[in-house]
Amino acid sequence: AQSVTQPDIHITVSEGASLELRCNYSYGATPYLFWYVQSPGQGLQLLLKYFSGDTLVQGIKGFEAEFKRSQSSFNLRKPSVHWSDAAEYFCAVGKAAGNKLTFGGGTRVLVKP
Amino acid sequence: DSGVTQTPKHLITATGQRVTLRCSPRSGDLSVYWYQQSLDQGLQFLIQYYNGEERAKGNILERFSAQQFPDLHSELNLSSLELGDSALYFCASSPSGGRYEQYFGPGTRLTVT
Repeated sequence: AQSVTQPDIHITVSEGASLELRCNYSYGATPYLFWYVQSPGQGLQLLLKYFSGDTLVQGIKGFEAEFKRSQSSFNLRKPSVHWSDAAEYFCAVGKAAGNKLTFGGGTRVLVKP
Repeated sequence: DSGVTQTPKHLITATGQRVTLRCSPRSGDLSVYWYQQSLDQGLQFLIQYYNGEERAKGNILERFSAQQFPDLHSELNLSSLELGDSALYFCASSPSGGRYEQYFGPGTRLTVT
């Protein structure tokens, strides 16, 4: 069965500093990978996705993620965080088109001024 | 705004009662997914419908049921409610034909007292 692990439950980062959120997945074939963000009281917004091809994918709000098959990882990065990036971030995996998503436990990001 | 709408936004009800949550997918999306987000279980897939037919089932209790209507809106019915059913229920929709990202609605927060 597919699974997703986000090792960091909370991360605190200073405004303007870089951010990296870790995601490890378990799945036999090439997975479909996603990062979503959930602001307090809001739904889930898609930041970026990986289906195939270039392993470095760009998303919205200045985020990028890199797929590393050898490490079963899909880490999310942002070079300079803004206070508005404070939210909870979820990594998700799907195994085929039109299939359910399996989510990690989420990483809550706090941004210090 | 993802284009997915959910009503109601909040619902407070008593144990043993039955409620219906409603979802309208993005225009043109044939697939609808229901997810439950709770503190102890995280984000879990419940059920998927595609063009009116049940496509996949996840960790959905027998007390819960769903359907998708000809106009593609979907309803999630929760009956014999228990305190543990208190959660945020998300609906998501996705395009068909090879693209795969799911777009989430704002959620319905259910509180069972």
